[in-house]
Amino acid sequence: SAVISQKPSRDICQRGTSLTIQCQVDSQVTMMFWYRQQPGQSLTLIATANQGSEATYESGFVIDKFPISRPNLTFSTLTVSNMSPEDSSIYLCSVWDRESGANVLTFGAGSRLTVL
Amino acid sequence: SQKIEQNSEALNIQEGKTATLTCNYTNYSPAYLQWYRQDPGRGPVFLLLIRENEKEKRKERLKVTFDTTLKQSLFHITASQPADSATYLCARPSGSARQLTFGSGTQLTVLP
Repeated sequence: SAVISQKPSRDICQRGTSLTIQCQVDSQVTMMFWYRQQPGQSLTLIATANQGSEATYESGFVIDKFPISRPNLTFSTLTVSNMSPEDSSIYLCSVWDRESGANVLTFGAGSRLTVL
Repeated sequence: SQKIEQNSEALNIQEGKTATLTCNYTNYSPAYLQWYRQDPGRGPVFLLLIRENEKEKRKERLKVTFDTTLKQSLFHITASQPADSATYLCARPSGSARQLTFGSGTQLTVLP
């Protein structure tokens, strides 16, 4: 299965600053997904990053707040802009994988952001 | 909208017992449901997938059922061990099956 590396694994940020999270996959993939997991909550899809086109954002998420880059088939970045304490979350990158003949998601270890 | 709900936020059971976690969905039955395990500080890890036309799927000590009448999936861990302690998430396809929507998860603690 795919191996995903995310960095940073964690960071403490000041209000009003921006942070870029990197996601590297060890194989070429068409779609990469960015999820947010707020404390004690489940995963919420932020956007789908497609190589060669604009990212597709879910309801409640906008490009100005969460700009995404997808320069090639193995790499993507998510920027959390103008951060506030409400942005304190784990941000997870994932890709479709094949297991037992089915499409399943493989996740990175996540990036835990704390905004002061 | 297609919702998926896991009723129990937390479940504590004694080692050796069978843990049963519940996942309910709304609207039409999805083509499949998936179950993931998430440990603290880690991303979710895929465990099992069950298709709409399958009533039951097993993998070692894990068993998943899919009841389209009740719109429910049950996830069982038999002979539970403290190492099974984790948060378990169910998920269904959404967005023309190109995405997954996750339930809120059930935090399982197996007591020695």
